Amino acid sequence: KQEVTQIPAALSVPEGENLVLNCSFTDSAIYNLQWFRQDPGKGLTSLLLIQSSQREQTSGRLNASLDKSSGRSTLYIAASQPGDSATYLCAVSFGTQGGSEKLVFGKGTKLTVNP
Amino acid sequence: NAGVTQTPKFRILKIGQSMTLQCTQDMNHNYMYWYRQDPGMGLKLIYYSVGAGITDKGEVPNGYNVSRSTTEDFPLRLELAAPSQTSVYFCASSKNRVGAQYFGPGTRLTVL
Repeated sequence: KQEVTQIPAALSVPEGENLVLNCSFTDSAIYNLQWFRQDPGKGLTSLLLIQSSQREQTSGRLNASLDKSSGRSTLYIAASQPGDSATYLCAVSFGTQGGSEKLVFGKGTKLTVNP
Repeated sequence: NAGVTQTPKFRILKIGQSMTLQCTQDMNHNYMYWYRQDPGMGLKLIYYSVGAGITDKGEVPNGYNVSRSTTEDFPLRLELAAPSQTSVYFCASSKNRVGAQYFGPGTRLTVL
């Protein structure tokens, strides 16, 4: 079964700390991996998209890496700020036997950055 | 661009009622999706469409129907609402099968 796991479920850090969020997946036959941010009661905001042929993507203080062989991705947040507090979701686009793709979401890591 | 818009934002239904959740995107994306998000369960794909006139089932399609008559619109129909359909529903779109997905703000539905 194609699954996506995010550990830890919740993380609390002091402002200014660098941190890493983890995402693991069970099948290396993927099209891409996407990191989202979700604020309480809001929709999902796309942060970074890594295609299967790529190793990492960067946007501002965010850096996402992808290691297909080990089934892992990390989202690195530098110099965290209280405004970074949100739930971070990892979603993996898996190939299916029928030739289409299927996007599977992890349950998210709830990040709290304390002033 | 407004991106992906959804209406209504909130709705309360009685068991057995029906309703349509509206979704519109103005990015000329071919792919559109409907997800539901339940607490502690992550997002599950209900239906998706790869273009006007083409739809297909996702992981949890039972109790729902969709149509895609235009590129812009992808409504989700609930027939005979049940308490198990209480959830937050998100519509999303992407340019192609490997492109980033962009989400609407969601519709919070309660079935009593």
